[in-house]
Amino acid sequence: RKEVEQDPGPFNVPEGATVAFNCTYSNSASQSFFWYRQDCRKEPKLLMSVYSSGNEDGRFTAQLNRASQYISLLIRDSKLSDSATYLCVVNGLASGGSYIPTFGRGTSLIVHP
Amino acid sequence: EADIYQTPRYLVIGTGKKITLECSQTMGHDKMYWYQQDPGMELHLIHYSYGVNSTEKGDLSSESTVSRIRTEHFPLTLESARPSHTSQYLCASSEGEVGDMKTQYFGPGTRLLVL
Repeated sequence: RKEVEQDPGPFNVPEGATVAFNCTYSNSASQSFFWYRQDCRKEPKLLMSVYSSGNEDGRFTAQLNRASQYISLLIRDSKLSDSATYLCVVNGLASGGSYIPTFGRGTSLIVHP
Repeated sequence: EADIYQTPRYLVIGTGKKITLECSQTMGHDKMYWYQQDPGMELHLIHYSYGVNSTEKGDLSSESTVSRIRTEHFPLTLESARPSHTSQYLCASSEGEVGDMKTQYFGPGTRLLVL
């Protein structure tokens, strides 16, 4: 089982739609969580951190459920420019006592007119 | 924009050659990372560093080596390139203490093709 699992998609939605992505992680000692966005042939860029109480940034809402080891990202009122791959990142305890990030494979979103 | 740079951006090289991929950042971050990413696949951590003279192997075994002699510089070396090394290599840096994890900033990547 992969440490961080995401539905690869693609999710193909019309402009204005609401879309939700899920991510599950296996390391219960994980401490911090992030959503990154990666455009085709570009480097990943931080979209938002994910906090236990849930957090919102404009049209984007992130939720964390530690008990179920589950993270979600909700995008409201989708724009064409939201088309990208969304990466779930979990910071987990590795052997040796250090925390290192583990990336999911990403969920592909295509927003069409 | 993040102040993290990678050179070269693209490299085509023959089997058996020694190559060094450069990564530098001007943000004063202690933590630096190297990832390998194949098209359509997830990023795999191959090396990381918590500071000068600190280097660790990541969760993906790699024949490459790294060094961290200066805070701002984290080069990756392949002593003898092979076609199986063909991939995109992404460098990143972040703030934070050893037991902490902050936002990572990524360089633009180096696309390596070994013939």
